[in-house]
Amino acid sequence: GQQVMQIPQYQHVQEGEDFTTYCNSSTTLSNIQWYKQRPGGHPVFLIQLVKSGEVKKQKRLTFQFGEAKKNSSLHITATQTTDVGTYFCAGYGGNAGNMLTFGGGTRLMVKP
Amino acid sequence: KAGVTQTPRYLIKTRGQQVTLSCSPISGHRSVSWYQQTPGQGLQFLFEYFSETQRNKGNFPGRFSGRQFSNSRSEMNVSTLELGDSALYLCASSIRTGGTTEAFFGQGTRLTVV
Repeated sequence: GQQVMQIPQYQHVQEGEDFTTYCNSSTTLSNIQWYKQRPGGHPVFLIQLVKSGEVKKQKRLTFQFGEAKKNSSLHITATQTTDVGTYFCAGYGGNAGNMLTFGGGTRLMVKP
Repeated sequence: KAGVTQTPRYLIKTRGQQVTLSCSPISGHRSVSWYQQTPGQGLQFLFEYFSETQRNKGNFPGRFSGRQFSNSRSEMNVSTLELGDSALYLCASSIRTGGTTEAFFGQGTRLTVV
């Protein structure tokens, strides 16, 4: 079945440093989504990427979708303490149909 | 507009018992998905319902079942509970708008099996 892997699992950064999480799928995705889950909270939708090679920005966050539509990345510039949480990628595609398959998440911790 | 509502928020059950969790989606959303979240396994897909029909099912044993009602509210049931079923169970409703299918998650039900 479809598998989505995310690295790293954990990341500690000093406030102001950059952060990147990477997502890889075992199959081609029709689209990829990113979610953020704050500690004690529930996942909240950030963005969806659909096109091969697509790049989208939200303030300090930059999302990329690979040319082969099998990988994606989220880059945060100059992290802030409010960025703390777990970032998940999730993909639709392959034989999974309407099933959204989540990566294991990257937990970001920011030291002030 | 009200969000996704899950009840109860917390639950403690004994091994061997069964449990039913409820999810009320956002009004107008017909797709409801259930996920199990544990520290070691991340978000694992359980099943997805659309218009009262199960459209997709994850790799969970038959002890995990669900259903959806005509008003799109959904329930999931776990029978013969095991210690390993302790987890946060998240429900998400979604609707496709403008090419994007965004999943809106509820606060979850934290189930503890003792």
